[in-house]
Amino acid sequence: EVHLVESGGGLVTPGGSLRLSCSASGFSFSHAWMNWVRQIPGKGLEWVGRIKSKTNGGTRDYAAPVKGRITISRDDSNKTMFLEMNNVKPDDTGIYYCTTEEQRVLDFWGQGVLVTVSS
Amino acid sequence: DIVMTQSPDSLAVSLGERATINCKSSQSVLHTSNNKNNLAWYQQKPGQSPKLVIYWASTRESGVPDRFSGSGSGTDFTLTISSLQAEDVAIYYCQQYYTLPLTFGGGTRVEIK
Repeated sequence: EVHLVESGGGLVTPGGSLRLSCSASGFSFSHAWMNWVRQIPGKGLEWVGRIKSKTNGGTRDYAAPVKGRITISRDDSNKTMFLEMNNVKPDDTGIYYCTTEEQRVLDFWGQGVLVTVSS
Repeated sequence: DIVMTQSPDSLAVSLGERATINCKSSQSVLHTSNNKNNLAWYQQKPGQSPKLVIYWASTRESGVPDRFSGSGSGTDFTLTISSLQAEDVAIYYCQQYYTLPLTFGGGTRVEIK
């Protein structure tokens, strides 16, 4: 069974940095393309970015609102994906979900982790 | 970016009745290479993460009840719940995966009347 567990959320001051982790199990992580999607509580969903498998070049793609401030990386030996964001803004507040991707369909989602950007 | 617009924002349907949700994309999401529409539907129940329900506009994800169906092509799509059950109360989102960035509709809240 696919299992995705996000961690690392919490309160971050504006201008600060955050690092989220997504621990995966139940599937071949090294072959998986992985994504981050965020949701402002009570609002809709926003794609943040993704990282392809190393066999597909490990290419990263990012959404415009976070490009230049974000890095998605992966550790296939520990089946973990990371999201690092710097210069965080109040608009970055939300629940961050990691997801698997199959041909751009987001087929499995973690339970999400809350990030609050506030002074 | 492709803009996804859902309607209505919310609807209340009696148990056993049909629920219909619409989704419109700002440009076609039909891939001519495989003649497939790059459109998915997700269900988000209260307090839970989203769950994939439909992909390729009309293919049900494994384990999804057959009362859920998707239809449409090009820019106009519909998710239908043929006989609403109590466990279907949720917010439903459409999403295009024709091109990056992946974009979602604003969601439709389905409640019991």
